[in-house]
Amino acid sequence: NAGVTQTPKFRVLKTGQSMTLLCAQDMNHEYMYWYRQDPGMGLRLIHYSVGEGTTAKGEVPDGYNVSRLKKQNFLLGLESAAPSQTSVYFCASRLLAEETQYFGPGTRLLVL
Amino acid sequence: AQSVTQLGSHVSVSEGALVLLRCNYSSSVPPYLFWYVQYPNQGLQLLLKYTSAATLVKGINGFEAEFKKSETSFHLTKPSAHMSDAAEYFCAVTDLNTGNQFYFGTGTSLTVIP
Repeated sequence: NAGVTQTPKFRVLKTGQSMTLLCAQDMNHEYMYWYRQDPGMGLRLIHYSVGEGTTAKGEVPDGYNVSRLKKQNFLLGLESAAPSQTSVYFCASRLLAEETQYFGPGTRLLVL
Repeated sequence: AQSVTQLGSHVSVSEGALVLLRCNYSSSVPPYLFWYVQYPNQGLQLLLKYTSAATLVKGINGFEAEFKKSETSFHLTKPSAHMSDAAEYFCAVTDLNTGNQFYFGTGTSLTVIP
């Protein structure tokens, strides 16, 4: 049981490049979340999903897109990376009937 | 709208001293409240949670928190700090209306002085 895993662990992008971050969970959780963590700002919700094929915007969705084609995977895409998207990205998941979120180890993204 | 305020972005305590990390919330409906801990270069791990049962909640590693509705607070305490408690601590809130979204505080970095 790996829990929540994130790929890649670290990435450097140039401004304008695109990339996809992958989150996978093996706990059969219905909900999945993408957060970004910036110094002094805590965690802010980017997008979330309440089930396969459904996604919704969070607090800071601009510049990001997501997809949940399979229940166990939640993808976060950056179509045209900007330096303001330099951050640590965390994925989390939880069961429908349980409030506790389980977090992945994070992806550090540097946009030059 | 919900929000969480953590007073003190940095807290230092001596080993063996009381740990007190403050969290105040804003919610128009009964909240669910959480404390998470983050060790360097790791994800967040749940310490404890309040979900409308007992107001005094005990968590892992000797931490506990008390829900005080009149003060809209959910402060985290530990009687005796250990070196291994040095980490970043986050308070978070959700509620039954917007149960799909969680709102995190800005975090408190705890330093334990030997």
